[in-house]
Amino acid sequence: GAVVSQHPSRVICKSGTSVKIECRSLDFQATTMFWYRQFPKQSLMLMATSNEGSKATYEQGVEKDKFLINHASLTLSTLTVTSAHPEDSSFYICSAYRSVASSYNEQFFGPGTRLTVL
Amino acid sequence: RKEVEQDPGPFNVPEGATVAFNCTYSNSASQSFFWYRQDCRKEPKLLMSVYSSGNEDGRFTAQLNRASQYISLLIRDSKLSDSATYLCAVNKASGNTPLVFGKGTRLSVIA
Repeated sequence: GAVVSQHPSRVICKSGTSVKIECRSLDFQATTMFWYRQFPKQSLMLMATSNEGSKATYEQGVEKDKFLINHASLTLSTLTVTSAHPEDSSFYICSAYRSVASSYNEQFFGPGTRLTVL
Repeated sequence: RKEVEQDPGPFNVPEGATVAFNCTYSNSASQSFFWYRQDCRKEPKLLMSVYSSGNEDGRFTAQLNRASQYISLLIRDSKLSDSATYLCAVNKASGNTPLVFGKGTRLSVIA
């Protein structure tokens, strides 16, 4: 079963709207979560690292004022796309590491959120 | 040069064929290597971790060549259900760090 959930799975909105995407770790705590973005036929690109209780770390070229990240608890990180425009239309995926063995952590991905901005 | 590069696709192969995917990475300090499978409009799912000694899981074999900074995935006896995009991913550092993905190679297995 899923270990990382995302909500909503799909959003269609008008240009200028802000959209919030939630990422939850199920049955485990995640002090760090990652947000990726994937455009059609492109690779997953890391946008930012979300740290519980502190500011997110953004990758070069990702506007922190446009993509607001809040990691207020050990099981929830949110990504808000502010004033979305058509070029923000993409597949947004979060991930978190979960311990699967005593010395091994595996990165699990959420099911993704498909954002379409009209 | 991109951090992680993969064979351009798509690969269209008949059922039962053997197909190989290649991936190169630019950062010689990279620590961990993975192959993910991604189905259309879905999140990536871990297929295999890749170890220096090479590892096999059923019909799938992964190999790592650190000297050449090269990773491969071999799929034997292809099934229709193997049709997907295969992503190579690399961890630049140890610990719970984000992955750097290749662009992916699309595989279509045809009956």
